[in-house]
Amino acid sequence: EIVMTQSPATLSVSPGERATLSCRASQSVSNNLAWYQQKPGQPPRLLIYDASTRATGIPPRFSGSGSGTEFTLTIISLQSEDFAVYSCQQYNNWPQTFGQGTKLEIK
Amino acid sequence: EFQLVESGGGLVQPGRSLRLSCEASGFQLGDYAMHWVRQAPGKGLEWVSGSSWNGGRIVYADSVRGRFIVSRDNAKNFMYLQMNSLRPEDTALYYCAKDTVGLTTWGPGTRVTVSS
Repeated sequence: EIVMTQSPATLSVSPGERATLSCRASQSVSNNLAWYQQKPGQPPRLLIYDASTRATGIPPRFSGSGSGTEFTLTIISLQSEDFAVYSCQQYNNWPQTFGQGTKLEIK
Repeated sequence: EFQLVESGGGLVQPGRSLRLSCEASGFQLGDYAMHWVRQAPGKGLEWVSGSSWNGGRIVYADSVRGRFIVSRDNAKNFMYLQMNSLRPEDTALYYCAKDTVGLTTWGPGTRVTVSS
């Protein structure tokens, strides 16, 4: 199975600043990668699919990039509602796999 | 509006079985691949199993293969997760999710606790 590794585990950023989250796959997943946001007590919400396409209703301050094995989620001008846990997921191969998550916290 | 609702969770002793249900509304289950994803307390997301639109292809995570069985009744708009030989490490919130290039719709989850 493909192992997804996210870094850092926790990221402290001030509101209004930029956050950059990384996700690495143990083998190429092409661009078949998604990013999810999860807040306490809620199910995950799809942010990005196909590595760089924003899901419906996702604001443009969220962007994804990368292909193959290296991916990045960038959030600019952080808003209070953006502080949450972010997870990447590869769907290139079954079993699909998730990264362990990055907690984005207020600095 | 697309909705998913899981049910069937609860407290169960190790070695016993439990069947989870996932009811879809607002769309035809048979039009989509579907997945089960779980989240242990304080942990990240773990993909458990995925089913093609008609159940012809079903894949399991190594951690549950041979113990869990996925089935679906597209006519009734239900998917199921039969969990056998449950272990304490199966304790988690179990979600079903709809696959539309990424998991676009999730239910609120149903909690499973495996403990004596």
